Amino acid sequence: DAKTTQPPSMDCAEGRAANLPCNHSTISGNEYVYWYRQIHSQGPQYIIHGLKNNETNEMASLIITEDRKSSTLILPHATLRDTAVYYCIVRVDHNAGNMLTFGGGTRLMVKP
Amino acid sequence: DTEVTQTPKHLVMGMTNKKSLKCEQHMGHRAMYWYKQKAKKPPELMFVYSYEKLSINESVPSRFSPECPNSSLLNLHLHALQPEDSALYLCASSQVPGRGRGYGYTFGSGTRLTVV
Repeated sequence: DAKTTQPPSMDCAEGRAANLPCNHSTISGNEYVYWYRQIHSQGPQYIIHGLKNNETNEMASLIITEDRKSSTLILPHATLRDTAVYYCIVRVDHNAGNMLTFGGGTRLMVKP
Repeated sequence: DTEVTQTPKHLVMGMTNKKSLKCEQHMGHRAMYWYKQKAKKPPELMFVYSYEKLSINESVPSRFSPECPNSSLLNLHLHALQPEDSALYLCASSQVPGRGRGYGYTFGSGTRLTVV
């Protein structure tokens, strides 16, 4: 699976949009981009995933560049409860080697 | 039911003890996973079960012994652990991959293990 690069930490003001970037320049055509987050002392929580098109759900939006070498997770109106470590993961959906490998992630701090 | 339930939430054990961690899901997922997470580090994959059969063992020491008795349950048996094995142990489940579709994992809240 392709490697990802994320900034180690970011701050965001409460009520503002949080834009979390992720670089995955070696992504291949059949690899999906996934985002998870982990609030302190809890298990990781699935947020969203996409292949080529932009995606939106009740939690967030995922913007994938046309060349698929980078993506941005957008939390439209960040709250204090969105403070967490956000992981961007690129992986292939295949039968063998069914693994989700976490990188360092971005520690997002939402401030009042 | 869209949850993965892990018990116990906290466990303190001595190095000569034998204990087990339990994970349960009722979402019909046929893939289940154990991860280990040390403080301030990302989760690391330990084991993968697919259709109740062990499909991946990430070179985990034999003092950790997984078991999948049925499609809803996943156990992790612990024996002769070391203090450095103290960590948060996370269980997750998902649909079995294939068919070119993406899918998400559902994680439990974890068992915080302390080895003394």
